[in-house]
Amino acid sequence: GEDVEQSLFLSVREGDSSVINCTYTDSSSTYLYWYKQEPGAGLQLLTYIFSNMDMKQDQRLTVLLNKKDKHLSLRIADTQTGDSAIYFCAERGSGGYNKLIFGAGTRLAVHP
Amino acid sequence: EAQVTQNPRYLITVTGKKLTVTCSQNMNHEYMSWYRQDPGLGLRQIYYSMNVEVTDKGDVPEGYKVSRKEKRNFPLILESPSPNQTSLYFCASSQYSNQPQHFGDGTRLSIL
Repeated sequence: GEDVEQSLFLSVREGDSSVINCTYTDSSSTYLYWYKQEPGAGLQLLTYIFSNMDMKQDQRLTVLLNKKDKHLSLRIADTQTGDSAIYFCAERGSGGYNKLIFGAGTRLAVHP
Repeated sequence: EAQVTQNPRYLITVTGKKLTVTCSQNMNHEYMSWYRQDPGLGLRQIYYSMNVEVTDKGDVPEGYKVSRKEKRNFPLILESPSPNQTSLYFCASSQYSNQPQHFGDGTRLSIL
């Protein structure tokens, strides 16, 4: 079945790069997403990548996709305290309908 | 401003007392979904809708109902809430099934 896994916690120093990793099982996934959830808030779409791409860069964010290993990563350059949040990896489920399969979320803590 | 609006944001109620969580989007999106978020499990889809009067079950539909009488609204109904439905609920919408979903700010339900 469809499954998305990510590590639960990551702690980094302010100014360093953060790398959040995710693995998925559905090889037919066409889109993979990264969402950010700040305390008490909804999910904010950070970025997404189409499955025929290997990399996508958007300012401080870099997404790498290894389709062979079904591995997705999100790199945040120059991590700031405002980046502290839970980051969810999600894949669009197979089938023609509107379902996202989410990982459990990685809590990123940024310390001085 | 494009947004998905959920009400209420917080609700504490008792077992068996019917409740409705409303969701409204102002983007004229075709697709709408309801998810629940539980610790360590990420978000799981409850129900989704592809258009007016077209709804279908997601992964965890038991104990929930939905309706889509108008394009902008997609209420979630708990006819007889139980404590295991205590959770954080999110509504989401997208124009097409392969487009990124926009999420509301969430509704935290506590069923005592």
